[in-house]
Amino acid sequence: DAKTTQPPSMDCAEGRAANLPCNHSTISGNEYVYWYRQIHSQGPQYIIHGLKNNETNEMASLIITEDRKSSTLILPHATLRDTAVYYCIVRAHTGTASKLTFGTGTRLQVTL
Amino acid sequence: NAGVTQTPKFQVLKTGQSMTLQCAQDMNHEYMSWYRQDPGMGLRLIHYSVGAGITDQGEVPNGYNVSRSTTEDFPLRLLSAAPSQTSVYFCASSAHLPQGLFFGQGTRLTVV
Repeated sequence: DAKTTQPPSMDCAEGRAANLPCNHSTISGNEYVYWYRQIHSQGPQYIIHGLKNNETNEMASLIITEDRKSSTLILPHATLRDTAVYYCIVRAHTGTASKLTFGTGTRLQVTL
Repeated sequence: NAGVTQTPKFQVLKTGQSMTLQCAQDMNHEYMSWYRQDPGMGLRLIHYSVGAGITDQGEVPNGYNVSRSTTEDFPLRLLSAAPSQTSVYFCASSAHLPQGLFFGQGTRLTVV
């Protein structure tokens, strides 16, 4: 699986959009981009995923660049409950798809 | 829906003891995996399984065994516990790609 690079920490004011970047310059054509978050010591929670098109769901939007070498997770109106560690990972569609590895993520702190 | 259930939630072991961490999912997912999480290390893959009867090693398999006799269950066995295995353990499952991973709430293990 391709490696990802994320900033270790970010701050965001409550009510503002939180934009979390991720670099995956070695991503392969069959690899999806996934985002998860982990609040305190709870189990990680799936947020969103995409292949090449931008995606949106009730939690967030995912913007993937045209060359697919980077992506941005957008929380449109961050709240204090969005304070968490956010993980960006890539996952192949076939072959070693199941060998999924998480990095250290971005710690997002939402403040008043 | 129970999702992914891990037991126990907390466990203290003495060095050299053995035990099994239980993981069960009721979503008929083919893929299951075990991760450990240590401070500052993110999530590291221990073992994974792509279906009943099939298992493989992840990044940090030493000291752990797994088996997958049914689709629902994926127990993790510590053969001879060591203080280095003090960690939080997460079990996760997923259906076929490109669906995301569902995580359990974790088992906090302390080896003294």
